[in-house]
Amino acid sequence: AQKITQTQPGMFVQEKEAVTLDCTYDTSDPSYGLFWYKQPSSGEMIFLIYQGSYDQQNATEGRYSLNFQKARKSANLVISASQLGDSAMYFCAMRDFLYNQGGKLIFGQGTELSVKP
Amino acid sequence: DTEVTQTPKHLVMGMTNKKSLKCEQHMGHRAMYWYKQKAKKPPELMFVYSYEKLSINESVPSRFSPECPNSSLLNLHLHALQPEDSALYLCASSQGPGTGFPEYGYTFGSGTRLTVV
Repeated sequence: AQKITQTQPGMFVQEKEAVTLDCTYDTSDPSYGLFWYKQPSSGEMIFLIYQGSYDQQNATEGRYSLNFQKARKSANLVISASQLGDSAMYFCAMRDFLYNQGGKLIFGQGTELSVKP
Repeated sequence: DTEVTQTPKHLVMGMTNKKSLKCEQHMGHRAMYWYKQKAKKPPELMFVYSYEKLSINESVPSRFSPECPNSSLLNLHLHALQPEDSALYLCASSQGPGTGFPEYGYTFGSGTRLTVV
């Protein structure tokens, strides 16, 4: 069975510093997709970044980058130059490719990030 | 239009009431999902509709009844709920049943905060 693990329930970072949020995964499927979502206290789930299992390069989106180490089965999110608005819950997720049934998104437990001024 | 719209944003209902949650998307996505999320926890998948047919029911109690009247609309009918059903209910959509477009993740709505009294 597929599994996503986030071992940091909460983290603090100083404004303007970089922070790494850890995510490890387990799957026997050679084809998979990894996502990071941000969820502020308002509740909406905001897509940040995606990494496909066959992608050769690490994904980047603005201040977000994904440190993908396939052999170690890790997909850590790096946020550069943290801002106060980055304070939120962050979820790592994996897409289970269920053909003809609809993909099933499996979430880790989440990391609550607090950015200090 | 790149949004998933959920209504209402907040709902308080008694244990004997019947209510419905509504979710709408106009992105041409053919898979739609209902997730339940408790505070500080990851979303838990409830139902998946693929091409307007129910494809996954994660053993959800029958007091929750999903409906997909057309490819743009997803409803969740609620009846005889319990206080422990109080949660954030998230709707999401994705392009297809997971084949060929793994880079297209899920688009989430802002959720309905449900309180059962």
